Parts: sequence; C-alpha cells; structure tokens
Amino acid sequence: DAGITQSPRYKITETGRQVTLMCHQTWSHSYMFWYRQDLGHGLRLIYYSAAADITDKGEVPDGYVVSRSKTENFPLTLESATRSQTSVYFCASSEGVGNYGYTFGSGTRLTVV
Amino acid sequence: DQQVKQNSPSLSVQEGRISILNCDYTNSMFDYFLWYKKYPAEGPTFLISISSIKDKNEDGRFTVFLNKSAKHLSLHIVPSQPGDSAVYFCAASPDNYGQNFVFGPGTRLSVLP
Repeated sequence: DAGITQSPRYKITETGRQVTLMCHQTWSHSYMFWYRQDLGHGLRLIYYSAAADITDKGEVPDGYVVSRSKTENFPLTLESATRSQTSVYFCASSEGVGNYGYTFGSGTRLTVV
Repeated sequence: DQQVKQNSPSLSVQEGRISILNCDYTNSMFDYFLWYKKYPAEGPTFLISISSIKDKNEDGRFTVFLNKSAKHLSLHIVPSQPGDSAVYFCAASPDNYGQNFVFGPGTRLSVLP
C-alpha cells in the first residue's frame, strides 16, 4: 500500500527499556521527520533526515536516536525510556523544500510506565 | 516561550456558518505558514499554505489570511460542515525548509449540526 505507515500503533513499555518506533514511506520522499505531540505543545520536532544517511536534531532530541540507512525507513529509538517520553509520536515525509506540507503517519501512542 | 500561539484551545460553530481560527506568531523572520487538520487517531493532514508575499490564499471553502505587521494569520472555513470538526494546527517557518517549521498547540473546532 502506498503511503506512510508507523508501527506499532500503541506501545506500553517500562522505564529504562529501549524501544524502537518504525516509520516506512513508499514515495521515496527525501525528507523524513519525527514529531511528538503533547497537550499544550502542539507538534515538536525530534529529528529529521534530508536523505539516506543524513540526519539532524530538531527541537527536542535528547533521549532519542535515529538512523536512515534506506530512503524509505526512518526508525526512532528511545535508548532508555523515561515517563516524560510518554507521548504520541508522528512520523512525516516530504518530497522536498517548499510549501508542499508534510504527509504524516497515523501516529504511535507510547506509554512509559 | 511559544513562537506560534493559538490562543483558543477550542471553538464551536453552527453548521453553515463561518469558522475563524486564529494564529499569532512572535518571530518576525517567519515567512511561510501552513495549516493542518487532525482527526482523532489519525495523523495531521496538510490543508493550506501561505507565504509572506501574499496576504490571502484560497482553496475551496478554506481561506488563509496573513497580516505580517500584526504577526497574525487566520483560517476561514465557509460554510462550516460537521466533517470539519477536528484539531487545527498552524505552523510557521523562516524559510520553506521543512525542518524549520514550528507548530502551534492547536485549536479544536466543533461544528454543530
């Protein structure tokens, strides 16, 4: 199916555990992004990637790691999950610069207990 | 300090009437603006954009107005329909590079039949 898919949709994990959120897009978009959505904060950028093997920090990168070995995949790893990382995580992709807007995935709701 | 503000967390409008969603920003360098709509359990979807060379952009029932001197933009939906009930996010950037967009906290619009 064409589009951008995130997995899992829901995840509960314990404090201190490592967890990886997956993101896959089928358009070969150059740009991919990870956002978190928290009440009162809107969407905040965690990391982004302009192309395979090129990643950079966003506004709130601490505690997260990303990689992009293939254009279509952009996994986000929480190395040691904390309760403050309980959030809804959205992956997005874009074909490039400009006012194209992004295409977002459906999100992963992560709860850290 | 939030650079992009949506001071109304929620808004209720009667079906058929006009919905006006407001967004204020503090960074005078912002030149590109996007609006997204988000339904529950889905990712945000791109709605409409405007750059600072314009003061208005229209797409069907949706019109965005930009007042650069007041650092204010608004999204007008006419006529409002129950299917427009969603959370609307405003986003702003000093350029049209995707990684630089800053999102507001969102406004929940309810269109009442």
